[in-house]
Parts: sequence; C-alpha cells; structure tokens
Amino acid sequence: GQSLEQPSEVTAVEGAIVQINCTYQTSGFYGLSWYQQHDGGAPTFLSYNALDGLEETGRFSSFLSRSDSYGYLLLQELQMKDSASYFCAVNSGNTPLVFGKGTRLSVIA
Amino acid sequence: DVKVTQSSRYLVKRTGEKVFLECVQDMDHENMFWYRQDPGLGLRLIYFSYDVKMKEKGDIPEGYSVSREKKERFSLILESASTNQTSMYLCASSLTVLDGEQFFGPGTRLTVL
Repeated sequence: GQSLEQPSEVTAVEGAIVQINCTYQTSGFYGLSWYQQHDGGAPTFLSYNALDGLEETGRFSSFLSRSDSYGYLLLQELQMKDSASYFCAVNSGNTPLVFGKGTRLSVIA
Repeated sequence: DVKVTQSSRYLVKRTGEKVFLECVQDMDHENMFWYRQDPGLGLRLIYFSYDVKMKEKGDIPEGYSVSREKKERFSLILESASTNQTSMYLCASSLTVLDGEQFFGPGTRLTVL
C-alpha cells in the first residue's frame, strides 16, 4: 500500500518563509504532487516533481528526494491569501494519486 | 479555461434514498475520479474511470457505484444512502491515470439525514 505523512497544522507570519514536509511510503513511485485548497473551495494543482531537486514557480517551490522518500513545499513571502490546506499526493505503478491528509497553513499578521 | 462541473453544491437526502451525483468535464480527458473528503482524512478515492464504460474501484468503493456512458460525464451513485455517507464529494479529471495534475470540480456537500 501507500502512505503519506505531513504535519496537520503549520502557522507562519506574513512575509516569512514556510516549509511543509511530506514523507511517503510506496512501491513503484512515479512522482509527488502538491495541491492547495482554500476553505470551501476545490483543490488546485500547484506542482509535480518526478525527479530529484527543486522546482520553482513564483513564490512556491517544491523539492523531491527519491532516495529519502521525502519532499517539501516551500512558500516564500507569505501572504494572508496563502492560508489554506496543502496536500501532497503520490502516484505509483498504475494507480491514481493517493493524497496525504493535508496540512492546514495559517498565516498571521 | 478548463472546467469540471458538478450538478449540485449542496444536497440533503434521507437515509435509504438513491442519490445521483453528476460530474461533467470539458477537457476531453480520458480519466475521471470520484473522491470523498472528510475532516482529518484527506481525499479518499472511491472510484475512477479511464475510459467510457470502464471503471475501477478505489480505496473506499463500498456503498457506491459509478456510471460512465459518455467521455465527458462521470456519475457517482449511492444506491441506498446512509448517514455515514454524509461528506464532501469531489470529482476530478486528468489526461492520463498517472498524471500528477488533476482538475477538480467545486464539490458537492451531501448530507444524509
């Protein structure tokens, strides 16, 4: 089976940097995705890492280490609108995405 | 602009009723998915479909069935709704089954009384 671990809650200050970690256990790993979900909204895709290293998209970056079965989402220059839940998800073999339980990020002034 | 729509944002049904949740995507995607989301449990896959008339069970298929008669439409059916099926239901689609990017609909919050 597959399992993912991520912190349930994180709080950070506006303008700061926050890192949300995700560790996974799976066989036949293909890649790690990150999604953002605001309260009452649908999950929206942020990034996908299939290879080791850092991928940057504006204020958001995502990192993957396949050998450590670990990845993280890095949010820089935090804004109040970044307050949301963030989910990591993995796909492997011929199975669709399996999602973690989500990390609720609260950005405070 | 890509779009996944779901037939209802909120739905209230009674125990034992048959419930249909409809999902339509306009991206010509082969793959469609139904998830339920509960606090603290994340998104759990109920069923998915990789082609018209094809379906595969996800992690929690018990009590649910699906129908995919047309490529753009994927329906979730609760044959006899129960209170433990009260949840947020999310539909998604993707280009391939292994795609890391899925496009989600706005969700249907179902309450079973």
